[in-house]
Amino acid sequence: GAVVSQHPSWVICKSGTSVKIECRSLDFQATTMFWYRQFPKQSLMLMATSNEGSKATYEQGVEKDKFLINHASLTLSTLTVTSAHPEDSSFYICSARRGGTLSGNTIYFGEGSWLTVV
Amino acid sequence: SQQGEEDPQALSIQEGENATMNCSYKTSINNLQWYRQNSGRGLVHLILIRSNEREKHSGRLRVTLDTSKKSSSLLITASRAADTASYFCATDANQAGTALIFGKGTTLSVSS
Repeated sequence: GAVVSQHPSWVICKSGTSVKIECRSLDFQATTMFWYRQFPKQSLMLMATSNEGSKATYEQGVEKDKFLINHASLTLSTLTVTSAHPEDSSFYICSARRGGTLSGNTIYFGEGSWLTVV
Repeated sequence: SQQGEEDPQALSIQEGENATMNCSYKTSINNLQWYRQNSGRGLVHLILIRSNEREKHSGRLRVTLDTSKKSSSLLITASRAADTASYFCATDANQAGTALIFGKGTTLSVSS
């Protein structure tokens, strides 16, 4: 079963509003989670690294004031798209690294969230 | 950020044929992973090859890794229409706090 859960799977919001996407690690603690964005017919681009209890680290070109990341617990990171515009419409997907297992340091992905801004 | 290129960007073949996709990367890695993504869906992990491995098999999949050339290839043998999807390589430094970095992907279309 899924070990990283993302919610919602899809969301439609009006331009100018904010929308929050949640990423949960279901049966392990994740001190670090990662957020990606994928535009149609393109690859996944790393947006930011979410660190539990501290500020997120954003990739070059990603506006930290627009894409707010909060990682308040070891099992939950949230991405809030503020003042959304149609160009923010995209597939957002999170991942978490699970360490200390027999299978090694494995990364798991959420199911992804489709955001459409109208 | 992205590691590098995948080629071809798009590949169209007939059922039963083999499909080969290539991936190049730029930095040092601990392992390289291949994922499949059906249109509009999430990622499906296919196979992981470690930096000290040169070749790995899983069913109809064969992955090679050449760390001296910083390149990898994914071969799908006896392709099926259900293999139609986008395929991405992703490099992993396998360190706490580091993310997978994806290549640009290859879109595979298998017609029956």
